[in-house]
Amino acid sequence: KQEVTQIPAALSVPEGENLVLNCSFTDSAIYNLQWFRQDPGKGLTSLLLIQSSQREQTSGRLNASLDKSSGRSTLYIAASQPGDSATYLCAPQTGANNLFFGTGTRLTVIP
Amino acid sequence: NAGVTQTPKFRILKIGQSMTLQCTQDMNHNYMYWYRQDPGMGLKLIYYSVGAGITDKGEVPNGYNVSRSTTEDFPLRLELAAPSQTSVYFCASKGSGETQYFGPGTRLLVL
Repeated sequence: KQEVTQIPAALSVPEGENLVLNCSFTDSAIYNLQWFRQDPGKGLTSLLLIQSSQREQTSGRLNASLDKSSGRSTLYIAASQPGDSATYLCAPQTGANNLFFGTGTRLTVIP
Repeated sequence: NAGVTQTPKFRILKIGQSMTLQCTQDMNHNYMYWYRQDPGMGLKLIYYSVGAGITDKGEVPNGYNVSRSTTEDFPLRLELAAPSQTSVYFCASKGSGETQYFGPGTRLLVL
């Protein structure tokens, strides 16, 4: 069974700082890995999807990398802003319909 | 497009009562999913459907039932509510790509 760990559990940074969120997973036989953002009391929003054959994916100030063989992914956020404050969830997909979620990293960006 | 909508937003149930959580999507997606998110835990897959008339169990299906009579709707039924089913329930859908689109969630409290 896939186990997903996200470190740190919480992170507080001043505005403008670059930061890295970490995700590790136990089963490297994945189809893809997705990063989601969750705002309090709301649903999840997909940020980036990395296919198993890819090493990284970029969208604006976000860059996600994937090292499938070692079971690791990182989400890099450049020049953080207060609007980036949210919980970030990592979810590797094993099987056609099985997304396994980590417990998330709760990010606070201080103005 | 409204995307994925869920009703109700919040509900309190007594032990043993039953209820149906509604989920509707207007994106003509074939795939639909139900997850639950317990406090401090990652989302876990309850049931999923790959098209109208086809459903399958996820990681934590016990105590729940689903049906998929149309492409748009994927209701989740709780027959005999138990305190262990206190959680936030998310519905999601997916089209031809790999990205899942989530609804805003239903918060359920069983007392």
